[in-house]
Amino acid sequence: DAMVIQNPRYQVTQFGKPVTLSCSQTLNHNVMYWYQQKSSQAPKLLFHYYDKDFNNEADTPDNFQSRRPNTSFCFLDIRSPGLGDAAMYLCATSREVGTNLLNTEAFFGQGTRLTVV
Amino acid sequence: AQKVTQAQTEISVVEKEDVTLDCVYETRDTTYYLFWYKQPPSGELVFLIRRNSFDEQNEISGRYSWNFQKSTSSFNFTITASQVVDSAVYFCALSDVDSNYQLIWGAGTKLIIKP
Repeated sequence: DAMVIQNPRYQVTQFGKPVTLSCSQTLNHNVMYWYQQKSSQAPKLLFHYYDKDFNNEADTPDNFQSRRPNTSFCFLDIRSPGLGDAAMYLCATSREVGTNLLNTEAFFGQGTRLTVV
Repeated sequence: AQKVTQAQTEISVVEKEDVTLDCVYETRDTTYYLFWYKQPPSGELVFLIRRNSFDEQNEISGRYSWNFQKSTSSFNFTITASQVVDSAVYFCALSDVDSNYQLIWGAGTKLIIKP
């Protein structure tokens, strides 16, 4: 059974039209991550939640926001998608203890492939 | 600065051949962690292994084995008797104190196993 579920698998949005990607987990992990992965590249961390604490990467554009209403769910909001935001968006979870993320084992969802038209 | 190099962009072998994926890393920290992830065509990243810098013991899991050598800063991954289902992109990654334990990813190696 899938433990990290991302919906939808494929999303087409119009240039400039806000879009939300969702992620849910059944693992009860305290950390959730959002990554952006462009074609033939490694994933790039956008931000993560450590419990309710939001941690933004320094180079994540303001166009990207996130919400985590509870342990199980996390959302990625793209306020005004541009053509350059077309990518695979990966959600991941891990269970971490302490102030440093040890990445003990990150579980990834299948991703949402976003197309901007 | 930390860096992970996977020099092999793409490898193609025939089924049942053994194949080794190379990973070379750079870090100033003495405490760090190394990872391998598999990304099949379906898209999700699948965790394969995590190794800390104090454990240089090689690991074997079925047809998979990992060779960690601090002397050469390498963490290579070997698949024995490869199968078509092994076809995927494989990423090596590093996390350390300097990165606040965020994952520093290699560029990935695309492995193609031909029947």
